[in-house]
Amino acid sequence: GDSVTQMEGPVTLSEEAFLTINCTYTATGYPSLFWYVQYPGEGLQLLLKATKADDKGSNKGFEATYRKETTSFHLEKGSVQVSDSAVYFCAPQGDTDKLIFGTGTRLQVFP
Amino acid sequence: GAGVSQSPSNKVTEKGKDVELRCDPISGHTALYWYRQSLGQGLEFLIYFQGNSAPDKSGLPSDRFSAERTGGSVSTLTIQRTQQEDSAVYLCASSPNPGNTIYFGEGSWLTVV
Repeated sequence: GDSVTQMEGPVTLSEEAFLTINCTYTATGYPSLFWYVQYPGEGLQLLLKATKADDKGSNKGFEATYRKETTSFHLEKGSVQVSDSAVYFCAPQGDTDKLIFGTGTRLQVFP
Repeated sequence: GAGVSQSPSNKVTEKGKDVELRCDPISGHTALYWYRQSLGQGLEFLIYFQGNSAPDKSGLPSDRFSAERTGGSVSTLTIQRTQQEDSAVYLCASSPNPGNTIYFGEGSWLTVV
């Protein structure tokens, strides 16, 4: 069945450091790919998405490129801020259009 | 409404009792999803509605769990004879059509004591 693998957290960085959170997936066909973010005490929010191969999703300085050949959708940000501290979820959209979530990756950014 | 609305936001119940969790999707959204997030776990898919029908119920963990949707809008997730392992945040989400971006509510925190 469809599944997603994210790097284990927590990821701990200093402010202005470069961020990469790896995500690989298995799915039938060519699913749309999403990154969702959950800030402390808040609900899940869409961060960015890509709907076809080689598309790049971007938002709030975050980027992720849909790599069909490696079935990956790694999240990157050039310079993280303390306010980026949250849990990040990679999610392919599987059959019946449901999102397939992994366990998420907690990011902690210190000043 | 402006977003997906869930109620109650918090519920503490005794083991063995039944609970109902309600979800009001964004107006006009035809697709509705229920997920569960347990402490330290990822999000677990429970059930998907398209209109009032549920083409995918594959994530419901046992026959104590059921859900319905009426009028293509409000959905209720019912857990019968609750167990402590049912303690989790139950998230509802909706989408304008299958394949579009999915929007989540704030969740209903369920604690079974």
